[in-house]
Amino acid sequence: DQQVKQNSPSLSVQEGRISILNCDYTNSMFDYFLWYKKYPAEGPTFLISISSIKDKNEDGRFTVFLNKSAKHLSLHIVPSQPGDSAVYFCVGDSNYQLIWGAGTKLIIKP
Amino acid sequence: DVKVTQSSRYLVKRTGEKVFLECVQDMDHENMFWYRQDPGLGLRLIYFSYDVKMKEKGDIPEGYSVSREKKERFSLILESASTNQTSMYLCASSSKVWGYNSPLHFGNGTRLTVT
Repeated sequence: DQQVKQNSPSLSVQEGRISILNCDYTNSMFDYFLWYKKYPAEGPTFLISISSIKDKNEDGRFTVFLNKSAKHLSLHIVPSQPGDSAVYFCVGDSNYQLIWGAGTKLIIKP
Repeated sequence: DVKVTQSSRYLVKRTGEKVFLECVQDMDHENMFWYRQDPGLGLRLIYFSYDVKMKEKGDIPEGYSVSREKKERFSLILESASTNQTSMYLCASSSKVWGYNSPLHFGNGTRLTVT
């Protein structure tokens, strides 16, 4: 039972354009959602998070939107840069238990 | 900067061998975790520890055990390696309040192949 789903295994975006990574969830008990970024041969690093009581959180080029009624969240990266090429994991946090999505590989084309 | 160090980047072991994966963190974090990452499955929690000598099972503890004798070190043990334990293993640590306000800090991973 995948409680956190990232349905796009990969996404290709032109440099300078907007990247939108999507995530759906089934567990209504998640308190927070987090996004982690992973480069090849490295461990994941924390990127941005959002509380379930908010609908938007912004940090520089990264914005996460949460639509609770649709059980959907998205990560927007504007503008996309070559260094953004990585795998992005969507993570649900329910009472300190983390549930990870399968990841979306983002490729930024020059 | 937090540093989480995993002792090996690559390991090749034979079926039935006892395997030790070591992890050390240098930020005095209370919490430590072992995950495995497989294609299409994201990260799955094997075991975690809130304190020295404390351990809790994660989602997939079968075939694994752990040891935390010192705060900075968390070891994952495969008692009798099997081919279905071929995977990328990731160690992480975090400070006491774990979750939104306390992100996990990961090591670079150990790719284990069991033949």
